[in-house]
Amino acid sequence: EAGVAQSPRYKIIEKRQSVAFWCNPISGHATLYWYQQILGQGPKLLIQFQNNGVVDDSQLPKDRFSAERLKGVDSTLKIQPAKLEDSAVYLCASSPGHNYGYTFGSGTRLTVV
Amino acid sequence: DQQVKQNSPSLSVQEGRISILNCDYTNSMFDYFLWYKKYPAEGPTFLISISSIKDKNEDGRFTVFLNKSAKHLSLHIVPSQPGDSAVYFCAAMGQTGANNLFFGTGTRLTVIP
Repeated sequence: EAGVAQSPRYKIIEKRQSVAFWCNPISGHATLYWYQQILGQGPKLLIQFQNNGVVDDSQLPKDRFSAERLKGVDSTLKIQPAKLEDSAVYLCASSPGHNYGYTFGSGTRLTVV
Repeated sequence: DQQVKQNSPSLSVQEGRISILNCDYTNSMFDYFLWYKKYPAEGPTFLISISSIKDKNEDGRFTVFLNKSAKHLSLHIVPSQPGDSAVYFCAAMGQTGANNLFFGTGTRLTVIP
């Protein structure tokens, strides 16, 4: 089966600019996650979707981050405006359900300068 | 608040010997535990998991042990191979509607030929 697709792979922007990441999960996976992994740390959940509904966005900095999953398939994560501390790898993952391991995409490495 | 902890940031092992990676958690509501392996510039890939109703799960060279009373799990790799060199993340999932994973900070394993 095709894996989780993410784009772009790398992005460098200046602080206060905006950026968007795209994710296409594995076909049929109802649950989609966005994680942020800062260098030297483990991935941290930003937002979880079940189909096109948000299940958990408690860790999403909503003043600058937004995400959507229209039609319950692919998803976009946006940062506006970006800060230096947003430099991280943004990982998208999908899962068929509870107690199943996630499948992660390769991530988007964001550098904010 | 780090609910999943990997206290060893790195581990070096000779090829053919056993690698033991450790993980501790604080939340007694976690009921499913997973290990992920991550190569540079790639997303984490699922390695092995264990449910809280078990104390051991084995898959080829990989075995995960769970000690619920101590809130501790470990991953054993026997025999270790150079291709096992990667960062290993421990993750835990709880009995919540969100089903999101909490990750440790990772242990970098180096298998020396």
